[in-house]
Amino acid sequence: KAGVTQTPRYLIKTRGQQVTLSCSPISGHRSVSWYQQTPGQGLQFLFEYFSETQRNKGNFPGRFSGRQFSNSRSEMNVSTLELGDSALYLCASSLETSGRSEQYFGPGTRLTVT
Amino acid sequence: GEDVEQSLFLSVREGDSSVINCTYTDSSSTYLYWYKQEPGAGLQLLTYIFSNMDMKQDQRLTVLLNKKDKHLSLRIADTQTGDSAIYFCAERGGGATNKLIFGTGTLLAVQP
Repeated sequence: KAGVTQTPRYLIKTRGQQVTLSCSPISGHRSVSWYQQTPGQGLQFLFEYFSETQRNKGNFPGRFSGRQFSNSRSEMNVSTLELGDSALYLCASSLETSGRSEQYFGPGTRLTVT
Repeated sequence: GEDVEQSLFLSVREGDSSVINCTYTDSSSTYLYWYKQEPGAGLQLLTYIFSNMDMKQDQRLTVLLNKKDKHLSLRIADTQTGDSAIYFCAERGGGATNKLIFGTGTLLAVQP
């Protein structure tokens, strides 16, 4: 099976712009979670989707949003970019949200905001 | 509260055992995970343990869980230079969520 894929791998944007990142989970997985990784804050949970519904949301401003499509692919959007949004954005997929649920991560999208 | 702590750095010699420690605070955690991150890469799931277990062994990896002290450790036997990476422990709470709370990460440096 192919692993979790994320596109694009690298992105450079300017303050004030908006960006959309994409995540394709492992085939058959219905749960997708997003995390932000920065040197200062470490790995922080952004949000989680299961069967097109947001199940959980982390403590991030409303500029951060996401969605999940019927094929389980997910996108996250960041509007009005700030310098502090520069980070590695990681997506994780899992079969379900209860019981044993191993989460597999993609390679990440490295976002640089200038 | 949600807080997971790890020591920042560990240096070992090739062939020795490495022990990476982690403490967590959420007593309702159901699963605890260990992930490995190499430079420029995503997170690789190494192993996990269910909260009602004390120990899990998987080839060179041994996970020990002390639920009373909320302490988790990862032992890597016969550490190799390819094991050099950052190791993260993570806890998952109860309920229908996959949200993980990650530790700060431990940089493991293996000296040849």
